Amino acid sequence: AQSVTQLDSQVPVFEEAPVELRCNYSSSVSVYLFWYVQYPNQGLQLLLKYLSGSTLVKGINGFEAEFNKSQTSFHLRKPSVHISDTAEYFCAVSEIQGAQKLVFGQGTRLTINP
Amino acid sequence: DAGVTQSPTHLIKTRGQHVTLRCSPISGHKSVSWYQQVLGQGPQFIFQYYEKEERGRGNFPDRFSARQFPNYSSELNVNALLLGDSALYLCASSSGGARTETQYFGPGTRLLVL
Repeated sequence: AQSVTQLDSQVPVFEEAPVELRCNYSSSVSVYLFWYVQYPNQGLQLLLKYLSGSTLVKGINGFEAEFNKSQTSFHLRKPSVHISDTAEYFCAVSEIQGAQKLVFGQGTRLTINP
Repeated sequence: DAGVTQSPTHLIKTRGQHVTLRCSPISGHKSVSWYQQVLGQGPQFIFQYYEKEERGRGNFPDRFSARQFPNYSSELNVNALLLGDSALYLCASSSGGARTETQYFGPGTRLLVL
């Protein structure tokens, strides 16, 4: 079984400042890794995913994440945030075999202050 | 192109009742998955269907059931509703159901059980 821990439930940041949202996972098998964003009253939108290859993954809206196998982490970063980045962010894993099942963390609420 | 659509958007039921939630995937997508998102938590996997066959099932009681139709739309049924079933129910579709594919989420159906 897999589990995902998002280390911060809330992250307040000033506009144009950098941000890092932390994610650690646990799994006995190889996994794929994902970051999703959820804006208020909306469904989830994929920001980026790691399947294989380069451990630095670039996604939409200027976000990137780095896969660290030894630390079982997949932290999300953005060098300069905007007010529009205010949302809930979810880290998720999926086994490389079996059903297309995402296991999500509990989410991190990113709040951007002007 | 239309994204994943879900109906209804909101629903209020009382304990013991039955509910049916509906999902239409993106045109051309053959896989549909269902997730339950309780307030303040990450989504939890309920089912995946591909080509009308169940491919995976999460840790939910038998009160939860689903099916997929020839046009790839799907229904999620919940019997004998409990207060704890109050949640946002998300539907996601993907092209072929492979673990590497992106899942596209609908806006969800918000269910309140009184």
